[in-house]
Amino acid sequence: KNEVEQSPQNLTAQEGEFITINCSYSVGISALHWLQQHPGGGIVSLFMLSSGKKKHGRLIATINIQEKHSSLHITASHPRDSAVYICAVRSGNTDKLIFGTGTRLQVFP
Amino acid sequence: DAGVIQSPRHEVTEMGQEVTLRCKPISGHNSLFWYRQTMMRGLELLIYFNNNVPIDDSGMPEDRFSAKMPNASFSTLKIQPSEPRDSAVYFCASSLLQNTEAFFGQGTRLTVV
Repeated sequence: KNEVEQSPQNLTAQEGEFITINCSYSVGISALHWLQQHPGGGIVSLFMLSSGKKKHGRLIATINIQEKHSSLHITASHPRDSAVYICAVRSGNTDKLIFGTGTRLQVFP
Repeated sequence: DAGVIQSPRHEVTEMGQEVTLRCKPISGHNSLFWYRQTMMRGLELLIYFNNNVPIDDSGMPEDRFSAKMPNASFSTLKIQPSEPRDSAVYFCASSLLQNTEAFFGQGTRLTVV
């Protein structure tokens, strides 16, 4: 079993829809990261959080430490949000980053 | 700042050849990371440096892989000899501190034939 699980693996949405991507992990962590990888391959760090909630524009990330779960929400989705979204946790023991396999999102106009 | 700069963007080489990937981190960042991304295994951390010193290289797959950071503004990842299974996208990232937000380069797509 992977230490970081993301769901769904693939997601298709219509422009304007509210989107949720989930990340569950099984190790103790010091922080959780959400990354975005565009079709061209570049990776952008969206959020780093260790508790509560963070918001940046139309993106919201939440984390529940007790349940070992994080969600990434996109409000009013747009075709330019189409990308792979990757969850990564920093292990509290080893300090290493452990990556999920990513969620491929396609938003159609 | 121009961000993390990697070169080359694409590299095609024959099996057995030496390959050197280069990275210039963001000025002032103290931590530098090398990652590899493949379809099968996703993103994997290979090695990271703090203040130019390698801290954890347990992700380096084999002795064929080596990484150096001779100064705060430059790092290399070398594969010698290269093999077809090394084909992947190699990302470099830097952060102000080890556990703060990381900024990624555009990656180097390596193909070993």
